[in-house]
Order: sequence, then C-alpha cells, then structure tokens
Amino acid sequence: DAGVTQSPTHLIKTRGQHVTLRCSPISGHKSVSWYQQVLGQGPQFIFQYYEKEERGRGNFPDRFSARQFPNYSSELNVNALLLGDSALYLCASSLWGNSNQPQHFGDGTRLSIL
Amino acid sequence: SQQGEEDPQALSIQEGENATMNCSYKTSINNLQWYRQNSGRGLVHLILIRSNEREKHSGRLRVTLDTSKKSSSLLITASRAADTASYFCATDDRSSNTGKLIFGQGTTLQVKP
Repeated sequence: DAGVTQSPTHLIKTRGQHVTLRCSPISGHKSVSWYQQVLGQGPQFIFQYYEKEERGRGNFPDRFSARQFPNYSSELNVNALLLGDSALYLCASSLWGNSNQPQHFGDGTRLSIL
Repeated sequence: SQQGEEDPQALSIQEGENATMNCSYKTSINNLQWYRQNSGRGLVHLILIRSNEREKHSGRLRVTLDTSKKSSSLLITASRAADTASYFCATDDRSSNTGKLIFGQGTTLQVKP
C-alpha cells in the first residue's frame, strides 16, 4: 500500500510569493496534519483536518491556511512568504486523528525562500 | 513551542553498543510516542506508550515512562549502522481534543560500523 505522498519534494520561492503544498494520506485515513520542521529542530504543529473540518490549529500566522478535500487529500497554503518560512513541511495521516494513534508521515516538501 | 527536551542532543557509538536517549516534557500527557527520522526524510513511528504504562518493548527498542518525573527514555540495544538517524519524542496535547503532537528537539544518533 502507498504511504503518505507529498508534492512537490522541493520548491524554491522568493519573498512575498505564495505556495501550495499537497498531501495524499494513506488510503482509508481520514485525518491529515501538517507540521513545519526548521533545520535542527523538531516538527511544529500547524493544522489538523478531520473529515474536511479543521480540528486544530497551531501557533502560526494567518498567512498559513489549509483545507481537506472529499477524498481526504489536503493542501497547505502559505501567502506572503518570508525568509523564516524556509523549512521542511511534513504531512501526517492517521485513521481517526486521535492522539493515541501513530501518525504516518510523508517525506515532506523542502521549501526554500530566497 | 517545544514541549520538552531530549538528552543528549547528539550521541556517537560503535556498532553493537547500546544507545540511550532521554526525553523530558512539561505538561500532563495521555501518551508519549517515539519517532525516527533519517536525514532528509519523514518521521517513522517507533513506539507509543500510554500514561498508565511504565515500560514497553518492540524488538531491539525499550521505552520507559515516568510520569512523576515527566520523563521517558528510549533504549536501542545492539545498535546497527542503519540505526543512524535523529530520534524524537512526541507527546499529545491534553488541553485540546486533537491529534496534535508536541515534539522535542531530538537526539542525533550516529552508529559507527
């Protein structure tokens, strides 16, 4: 079975641009979460979606938004990019989105802001 | 913000030796998970331990949890070069009804052949 897939794998943008990152969860998983991982640090929670509804939001500015589609895939959008947005963006899926379940991560999108 | 800290930040050992990594966290939890991350890749789930459990094993992995000290340890026995990776502990967020995970900063493990 395919794991969590993310696209693109790498992306280079300039300050002020916007970006859309995409994630396909494991088949049957209804929850998708997004994390930002800055080099040398652990991932930080951005959003969780379950059954197309936002279930949780981390401490990120409104420039960050996301949505989940009927097929449970998800998009993360970031507007007005800043240098500090350079990071690895990880998507994780799980069956029900509860904290007592393992989360399955994709290999991420490496975003570089010039 | 990060939930807690891993100790040590970096660890270098010879193949065959045991590796122990520690994690401390700040708030009450329902469960704690450990993940591995190879360079440039996503995280792989290793083990989940619930707050009412004290120890859990999975193959060469042994995890302990001490909720009174708000700490956990991950022991990898008979390490292999393939165990070279970063290891993160992650706790749940009891204040929210979400699957949000709060990660530490990780321990980078190097196993020399």
